Amino acid sequence: GENVEQHPSTLSVQEGDSAVIKCTYSDSASNYFPWYKQELGKRPQLIIDIRSNVGEKKDQRIAVTLNKTAKHFSLHITETQPEDSAVYFCAASVGDKIIFGKGTRLHILP
Amino acid sequence: DVKVTQSSRYLVKRTGEKVFLECVQDMDHENMFWYRQDPGLGLRLIYFSYDVKMKEKGDIPEGYSVSREKKERFSLILESASTNQTSMYLCASTPLAGGTGELFFGEGSRLTVL
Repeated sequence: GENVEQHPSTLSVQEGDSAVIKCTYSDSASNYFPWYKQELGKRPQLIIDIRSNVGEKKDQRIAVTLNKTAKHFSLHITETQPEDSAVYFCAASVGDKIIFGKGTRLHILP
Repeated sequence: DVKVTQSSRYLVKRTGEKVFLECVQDMDHENMFWYRQDPGLGLRLIYFSYDVKMKEKGDIPEGYSVSREKKERFSLILESASTNQTSMYLCASTPLAGGTGELFFGEGSRLTVL
């Protein structure tokens, strides 16, 4: 079936450095790509999304890039802070569904 | 603020029991979803519904059924709970059809099957 692959599963970065999480998808008809952040013990929340008609979107320290030809998209977090520590999920639309990657646990090291 | 409420945060059930997980949203959203979340496996879609009395299978529907009798309420049913259904269950809703909008999640229901 259709799937979303996410890498890495765990990422540790020094506070202030950048973090990059990468995802690939299999359904060429996918046109919506959200990213969710889940803090420990809390529900996932949308942090940024991108649609297939744009290649990049930015919101303060967070940016997402999309390469439709290669069917991959990435989340970039700059100037990381302790509150960025969480699990991040990429997702892609597949018909009427949203399919998630397996998640990346991001650790921000002091 | 959108509110998605899952009635039970923690449940402990025995193998073979019937289990109901209830989800209610207060924003008149058309689309509702049930996911299960397991460490290392992410969020996997069990069932979704885009209208009252409508339901569609997700990627892992085996062992589950759903009910959507009213627009605001989407129930997940485990007819005969098994230990491999021990998991965190997340309900979500979105106003936009076609998988193109933000999902608003509930707090989750952690189910343990003994």
